[in-house]
Amino acid sequence: GDSVTQMEGPVTLSEEAFLTINCTYTATGYPSLFWYVQYPGEGLQLLLKATKADDKGSNKGFEATYRKETTSFHLEKGSVQVSDSAVYFCALSAPERGSQGNLIFGKGTKLSVKP
Amino acid sequence: NAGVTQTPKFRILKIGQSMTLQCAQDMNHNYMYWYRQDPGMGLKLIYYSVGAGITDKGEVPNGYNVSRSTTEDFPLRLELAAPSQTSVYFCASSSKGLAVEQYFGPGTRLTVT
Repeated sequence: GDSVTQMEGPVTLSEEAFLTINCTYTATGYPSLFWYVQYPGEGLQLLLKATKADDKGSNKGFEATYRKETTSFHLEKGSVQVSDSAVYFCALSAPERGSQGNLIFGKGTKLSVKP
Repeated sequence: NAGVTQTPKFRILKIGQSMTLQCAQDMNHNYMYWYRQDPGMGLKLIYYSVGAGITDKGEVPNGYNVSRSTTEDFPLRLELAAPSQTSVYFCASSSKGLAVEQYFGPGTRLTVT
């Protein structure tokens, strides 16, 4: 079945360091891919998305490119800030599962950024 | 515009008790979802609804029930609480099914002892 695998955390970085969080997926057909972020004590918020191969999603300095050949959607940011400390979830929505659009989530990666 | 609201924020239940988790959205979204989030795990879909009067099971529906009598409200019912239902519950909504953003509520942290 459809699944999402993302790198285990926690990840601890110093401010202004480069961030990569790996995400790979298994799905039939052509899923849409998402990164959601969960700040402490809050619900999930959409960070960025891509709906077809080679699309690049970007928001708040974060980027991810939909790579169909490697079934990957890695999240990157060139210079992290303390305010980026959160849990990041990679997710997919696969049309072959039906049109209800439910998301399949990875386990989440906790990022802590130290000043 | 409050988005997606959930009540209560926290709840402790004894084994065998029942409760209803409330979820409401004010964005006129047809699609609504209930997920549970267990420690160190991603979210798993419990139930979903594609419109008022229409609900269906997700990946982990056992022990839960839902109803959707209005577009705005999508309550989740636990009939006989079990320790395995200790989790954080998130409600979400979206304007359509595929490839669009889901908006999440702040969650309900439930402990069953």
